Amino acid sequence: KAGVTQTPRYLIKTRGQQVTLSCSPISGHRSVSWYQQTPGQGLQFLFEYFSETQRNKGNFPGRFSGRQFSNSRSEMNVSTLELGDSALYLCASSLLGYEQYFGPGTRLTVT
Amino acid sequence: EDKVVQSPLSLVVHEGDTVTLNCSYEVTNFRSLLWYKQEKKAPTFLFMLTSSGIEKKSGRLSSILDKKELFSILNITATQTGDSAVYLCAVERMTGATNKLIFGTGTLLAVQP
Repeated sequence: KAGVTQTPRYLIKTRGQQVTLSCSPISGHRSVSWYQQTPGQGLQFLFEYFSETQRNKGNFPGRFSGRQFSNSRSEMNVSTLELGDSALYLCASSLLGYEQYFGPGTRLTVT
Repeated sequence: EDKVVQSPLSLVVHEGDTVTLNCSYEVTNFRSLLWYKQEKKAPTFLFMLTSSGIEKKSGRLSSILDKKELFSILNITATQTGDSAVYLCAVERMTGATNKLIFGTGTLLAVQP
């Protein structure tokens, strides 16, 4: 069974731009969660989607948004990028809501 | 506020040593505690613990949860250089049907030959 895939793997953007990241979960998994990982803050929860609905949300500003499609693929969007948004963005899928499986991540650099 | 605290922050040992990593938590509506290993890529799942006192074991790795004292430990015996990684602890908080993982900042383990 294929694992979680994320695209793109690396991205360089400038301040003020917006970015969209994509995540395809493991086949059959309906829950997709997004995390931001930075050296200083560790792994922080952004939001979780289940059956196209956002079920849970972390403490990030409204510039961070997401959605999930009927095939469970999910996208995350960050608008008006700031330098502090530079991070590894990880998505994880799960079947029943726990035991999450992570994708390889998207490394975003904002200059 | 929910929090998950891991200790030590980093650890350097020699091959063959045994290490114990700690994770304490204060999380409302606790459902489970999970351990992940992260090398250069994304975290990989190690264990999920839901009940106190029941040890989970996988090869040289084992973990146990104490829900009364709100902590978990991850033990690695006979360490190898391939065990070098960041070990992440996460606590699952349940609110209705939702699923939210709160991660600690991790323990960086370096195993020297």
